[in-house]
Amino acid sequence: NAGVMQNPRHLVRRRGQEARLRCSPMKGHSHVYWYRQLPEEGLKFMVYLQKENIIDESGMPKERFSAEFPKEGPSILRIQQVVRGDSAAYFCASSPPWTDTDTQYFGPGTRLTVL
Amino acid sequence: QKEVEQDPGPLSVPEGAIVSLNCTYSNSAFQYFMWYRQYSRKGPELLMYTYSSGNKEDGRFTAQVDKSSKYISLFIRDSQPSDSATYLCAMSGYSSASKIIFGSGTRLSIRP
Repeated sequence: NAGVMQNPRHLVRRRGQEARLRCSPMKGHSHVYWYRQLPEEGLKFMVYLQKENIIDESGMPKERFSAEFPKEGPSILRIQQVVRGDSAAYFCASSPPWTDTDTQYFGPGTRLTVL
Repeated sequence: QKEVEQDPGPLSVPEGAIVSLNCTYSNSAFQYFMWYRQYSRKGPELLMYTYSSGNKEDGRFTAQVDKSSKYISLFIRDSQPSDSATYLCAMSGYSSASKIIFGSGTRLSIRP
């Protein structure tokens, strides 16, 4: 049973370019979450999605960041016009539809470096 | 004040020792409590998951939650060098399908 898949594992972008990070949840999981871990800092919640719906985006920066989880295919975190401060590890997590007895499982992360 | 406070360490103990890791929190709405282990440059790995107050044991790991004191603990018995990692306490509110608030992590090193 494959876990949460993320790709690419490493991504290098120059300032002003766009970054697209992909996440495939665990089989049977319909909830996807994105977190960011800045160097020497803890994990911070960004957004929570279900298929075709954004449930909670309270942690998303107001500009340049967007996320989607289409009916078919992986969830995408998109960062437009990247800046050096966007350099971080971005983790995706997923959880099953039943929420009382299980929690979120994390992928290996995408490490974004902005030059 | 942070919602979740965790001593960043580093904490270094000899192999075989009992390790105690702790977090305090301020938001009484938290009901779901987790401990994750994160090796360097890897994703967080779920170790323990508990709902509300009480104890939960899984092998060498025991998690304790005291909601009256807003205090959670993780105990590791018979610690091994392979336990060397960063341990993250985490919690969420009305449902586990809601955003998780993490502590900053405690870096643990087990000396052979």
